[in-house]
Amino acid sequence: AQSVAQPEDQVNVAEGNPLTVKCTYSVSGNPYLFWYVQYPNRGLQFLLKYITGDNLVKGSYGFEAEFNKSQTSFHLKKPSALVSDSALYFCAVRGYNNNDMRFGAGTRLTVKP
Amino acid sequence: DAGITQSPRHKVTETGTPVTLRCHQTENHRYMYWYRQDPGHGLRLIHYSYGVKDTDKGEVSDGYSVSRSKTEDFLLTLESATSSQTSVYFCAISGADMVMNTEAFFGQGTRLTVV
Repeated sequence: AQSVAQPEDQVNVAEGNPLTVKCTYSVSGNPYLFWYVQYPNRGLQFLLKYITGDNLVKGSYGFEAEFNKSQTSFHLKKPSALVSDSALYFCAVRGYNNNDMRFGAGTRLTVKP
Repeated sequence: DAGITQSPRHKVTETGTPVTLRCHQTENHRYMYWYRQDPGHGLRLIHYSYGVKDTDKGEVSDGYSVSRSKTEDFLLTLESATSSQTSVYFCAISGADMVMNTEAFFGQGTRLTVV
């Protein structure tokens, strides 16, 4: 079955600095990759996805992610972090012709003023 | 927000009792999922469904069963609740189109405490 690894439990950045949240995946065949964000006491909100095409995908709230097939990675990025970006971020993978979606353990992003 | 409703939102139950959580969708999506969220483990897939009466196990299915008799409803049952099943449970849905509707949309979660 497919799997996702988020190597960092916690990422701290200063407001205005660029941020990166890392994700690597394992799947048979071509992957469908996703990023979600969770604010306290809320469900998960979809941010962006990679299905095919350009390796750099853009999503909500100024976030983008870069798909790297050779490194099996899908890192989330934002050029300039906001305090309001502080939340729990999850990477997920779904294989083509695969019905289930697997999530990583999550990375808590803290943006300090 | 996608039309997903989980019920109940909060529940406290005793060890050994059966518990059923309900997920209801109004989007007519084919796929439905149950996840549990625990600190340090992220979201782990319990069971999922790819159509009426079509279900399959996820990575942490022991102690759980599911049923989907209608497109809009996906039930998760804890046959005999244990303290290890104390968790926050999320239902999610996604469409059948593998290009346009691949992402999942989540309910607000059910906080279950087994005492």
